[in-house]
Amino acid sequence: GENVEQHPSTLSVQEGDSAVIKCTYSDSASNYFPWYKQELGKRPQLIIDIRSNVGEKKDQRIAVTLNKTAKHFSLHITETQPEDSAVYFCAATHGGYQKVTFGTGTKLQVIP
Amino acid sequence: GAVVSQHPSRVICKSGTSVKIECRSLDFQATTMFWYRQFPKQSLMLMATSNEGSKATYEQGVEKDKFLINHASLTLSTLTVTSAHPEDSSFYICSAPGEGQQETQYFGPGTRLLVL
Repeated sequence: GENVEQHPSTLSVQEGDSAVIKCTYSDSASNYFPWYKQELGKRPQLIIDIRSNVGEKKDQRIAVTLNKTAKHFSLHITETQPEDSAVYFCAATHGGYQKVTFGTGTKLQVIP
Repeated sequence: GAVVSQHPSRVICKSGTSVKIECRSLDFQATTMFWYRQFPKQSLMLMATSNEGSKATYEQGVEKDKFLINHASLTLSTLTVTSAHPEDSSFYICSAPGEGQQETQYFGPGTRLLVL
C-alpha cells in the first residue's frame, strides 16, 4: 500500500518568513496530492491540492510543487502569519473513491 | 459546498459499553465514506471504507467485529465501537468524496470519544 513520509515534524518560523514542508510517497499510481491544515480539535481543512499532471500550483501565499519522478511534493507558505500556526498534513491518493493516505504531520508555529 | 456532519461531537462512556457515531452527508449523496481515527499528536489513520449497500472494507489491524460499520443510505454511515475500552479513546473523523470532484474529501467535524 501507499506510504507517505513527511518532514519536519515541527517547524518554527518568524512571522513574515517562509515555511517549507516536504513529503515523499511510495506508490507511483498515486495521482492526487492534497494538503490539509488542522487546528486543535477540528477537522482537517483542504488548503491546496495538486494532480499528477501538474508540477506546480499556487494560491496566494501557498504553493505546492510535485516531482513525480522522485515521488516527492512540497508545501511552501510565504509571508507567514500567526494564524498559519497549525498542524499540516500532506496526503496521497489514487483519486476518485480511493482511500487517502496521510503523512505524519508537521506542527507549524509562527512566532509574532 | 458539500457538508458532512457527525453526531455526537463528544461522548464519554464507561468501559464495556457500545458507542454509535453517525456521519451524514447533508447536501450530497455519498456511496462511499471513510472512517479515520486520530490519537493525540498523531496523524489520521484510516480504519475502514464504508460502502452503501455492501460490507465495509477494513484496514489491516482494525477489528471488524469491534468497529461495526453500517452504510444504511446514501447520506448516512454509522460507526459503532462495541465493548469500548480506554484504549479506544480517540478522535474519530469521517469523510466523503464530493460528487463532482471525487478526489476532494469532505470531512466531518469529528467525534471525541473518552472511555473511562
